[in-house]
Amino acid sequence: GIQVEQSPPDLILQEGANSTLRCNFSDSVNNLQWFHQNPWGQLINLFYIPSGTKQNGRLSATTVATERYSLLYISSSQTTDSGVYFCAVRRNAGNMLTFGGGTRLMVKP
Amino acid sequence: ETGVTQSPTHLIKTRGQQVTLRCSSQSGHNTVSWYQQALGQGPQFIFQYYREEENGRGNFPPRFSGLQFPNYSSELNVNALELDDSALYLCASSLGSGRGYEQYFGPGTRLTVT
Repeated sequence: GIQVEQSPPDLILQEGANSTLRCNFSDSVNNLQWFHQNPWGQLINLFYIPSGTKQNGRLSATTVATERYSLLYISSSQTTDSGVYFCAVRRNAGNMLTFGGGTRLMVKP
Repeated sequence: ETGVTQSPTHLIKTRGQQVTLRCSSQSGHNTVSWYQQALGQGPQFIFQYYREEENGRGNFPPRFSGLQFPNYSSELNVNALELDDSALYLCASSLGSGRGYEQYFGPGTRLTVT
C-alpha cells in the first residue's frame, strides 16, 4: 500500500515562531487532507489540497503532487496550535484515507 | 448544519464481549468511513459504506463488521473483543465515495477492553 511519512515527528516552538511540517507519500494521490487533532481526539479539517497552494489565516499549505509531497506552514504560532497534525492521502485507485504518523507540536508561552 | 456525531463517547468492555458503536453522518453526506486509532499512531481505515453497501475494507478481521442505514447513519460492530481493540474509533462522512470528496470526522468513541 501507499506509504505516508511526516516530519518532524515532534516539534517544540516558542509562541510567535513559524514552522513547516512535511508530508511525503509514495504513490500518486487524488486526495490529500491536513488535520489537527486536539487533545480530546477530534480531527479538525485544515485543508483539502490534492495540489496547489491554499491559505487560511495563519496557516497555509502547498502540495506538489508530481514530486509527492505536501507542506503545512504555521506562522506566528499560538499555544492553541498545540496538538498533533496529520496528513492523509487517498490513492488514485481506492477510497480510503491513509494517514501519516503525525507531527506532535507543542507551542510554549 | 449538524456535523458528524458519534456515540457513546467512552466505553469499557471485557475481553470476549461484543460492542456496537454508532455514527450519524453530516447532513447530505451519503458515505461513511470508520477508522481505528491506537494510542500514539495515525488512524487506520477499517471500512467504508456508500449507499448502504460496504465499499472498501482495510486490513481488519471479519469480527469487525458494519451497517449503514437508509438515513446514512452507520454502526460498527466488533465481536469477540481483544485487548488490542482498545483504541479511539473515528467515523468520517463525505458527500460521496469518489475522488474529490473531503472527509469530515466525528469526535470519536474511546473503547477500553479489559
